[in-house]
Amino acid sequence: QVQLVQSGPEVKKPGSSVKVSCKASGDTSGHTFSNYGISWVRQAPGQGLEWIGRILPLVHISNYAPKFQGRLTITADESTSTAYMQLNSLTSEDTAVYFCARDVLPRGPSDYWGQGTLVTVSS
Amino acid sequence: ELVLTQSPATLSLSPGERATLSCRASQSVGSYLAWYQQKPGQAPRLLIYDASNRATGIPARFSGSGSGTDFTLTISSLEPEDFAVYYCHQSTNWPLFGQGTRLEI
Repeated sequence: QVQLVQSGPEVKKPGSSVKVSCKASGDTSGHTFSNYGISWVRQAPGQGLEWIGRILPLVHISNYAPKFQGRLTITADESTSTAYMQLNSLTSEDTAVYFCARDVLPRGPSDYWGQGTLVTVSS
Repeated sequence: ELVLTQSPATLSLSPGERATLSCRASQSVGSYLAWYQQKPGQAPRLLIYDASNRATGIPARFSGSGSGTDFTLTISSLEPEDFAVYYCHQSTNWPLFGQGTRLEI
C-alpha cells in the first residue's frame, strides 16, 4: 500500500520561508518516483482545495500555478523517495494545510495523498 | 481560463436518499475529470477518475458520468459516512479543483 508521509506542522514569521517534505513508501521498486508526478495542494482554513504545483521526479521538471511563480520551488530526491515544497516570502494568506499527492500520468487523478502539514504564518 | 463550477454549494439530504452533484467546466476537459471526498481533518480521497471509473475500494453506490463540460457524481443511497465535502478536479492542463459541494444531513 502506497503511503505519503509528510513532515510536521510549522509556525513561521511573515517574510520567511517554509520547506515541507513528503516521503513515499510502500510501493515496490520506487515506482512512485519513477512513474508518477507529485502534486502539492493547499487548503486554507474553511476553504477549498487549491493546486499549487507539481514535479515529475523522473525528469526533474516542475510546474507551478501562475500565482506562485517566483516564490515556490518543488524538488524531489529519488534516492530517498522524498519530495519537497518550499514557499518563500510567506504572508498570513499562506496559512493553510499543505498536502502532497501522487499523480497518475499523463493526465490522471491524484490517487494517494499525504496526511497534510499545517503551516501557520503569524507574527 | 478554465473554471470548474460545482452545484449546489450545499445539499441537504437524509440517509437512504439519492444524491446528485454537478460539476460544469467552462471549456471541454474530455473525460479527465475526477471526484474526491473530504471529511473534516482528513486528506481528500479519490472516488471517481476519468469521469466514470470508481477508484479501488470505492463502494458501488458511487457513480460518475459525463464528458466534455458537464459531469455528475451520483450516490445512489446515502450512508451516514457519506456526509462530507465533494470536489471535482480536472487534469487536462493545469490541475484545477471545483469549489466543492457540502453534503449535509
